[in-house]
Amino acid sequence: SQKIEQNSEALNIQEGKTATLTCNYTNYSPAYLQWYRQDPGRGPVFLLLIRENEKEKRKERLKVTFDTTLKQSLFHITASQPADSATYLCALPLRNNNDMRFGAGTRLTVKP
Amino acid sequence: DAGITQSPRHKVTETGTPVTLRCHQTENHRYMYWYRQDPGHGLRLIHYSYGVKDTDKGEVSDGYSVSRSKTEDFLLTLESATSSQTSVYFCAISDRGVLDEAFFGQGTRLTVV
Repeated sequence: SQKIEQNSEALNIQEGKTATLTCNYTNYSPAYLQWYRQDPGRGPVFLLLIRENEKEKRKERLKVTFDTTLKQSLFHITASQPADSATYLCALPLRNNNDMRFGAGTRLTVKP
Repeated sequence: DAGITQSPRHKVTETGTPVTLRCHQTENHRYMYWYRQDPGHGLRLIHYSYGVKDTDKGEVSDGYSVSRSKTEDFLLTLESATSSQTSVYFCAISDRGVLDEAFFGQGTRLTVV
């Protein structure tokens, strides 16, 4: 069965360092992948979409990679700030492409 | 923020009663989704709609039904609420389905006692 795994439930890093979050998937062949941010008590907010032929995508301090051979996406936040503390979710489309499945998320805490 | 409103925001109901959650959008997006979010499970798709009167099941559809009679409204009904349906429910909208970013509502916290 299809599975989406995000590397850890929680990640703690020091301000200014680069945070790297992992999204692994099995029994999928998605054409693209999305990353969302979710703050406590709020709905997820879209960050980035990367297509299978893009390999890497950047937006300000965010960088996403997509390795279809390893079946893995890496999400990087450079020069992290306490305001980056949140839960980050990866999402992939399933079957007929109208069904978006989410990972359980990684809770990132950036300490000053 | 995208124009998407969920109501109610909080609800406590008794086991066995029917419950309807409403999602209203002002963006004229074609796709609308209902997810539930539980600790350790992340977001799980319940049902989605790809147009007026066009709906399909998601990963965890048992015990839930939906209706979409207008572009702007997507209703989620728990026919007979159970304690296992205690959760936070999110509605999301998207213009081109999963090819696009999804905009999420603020969520509805439902407690079934």
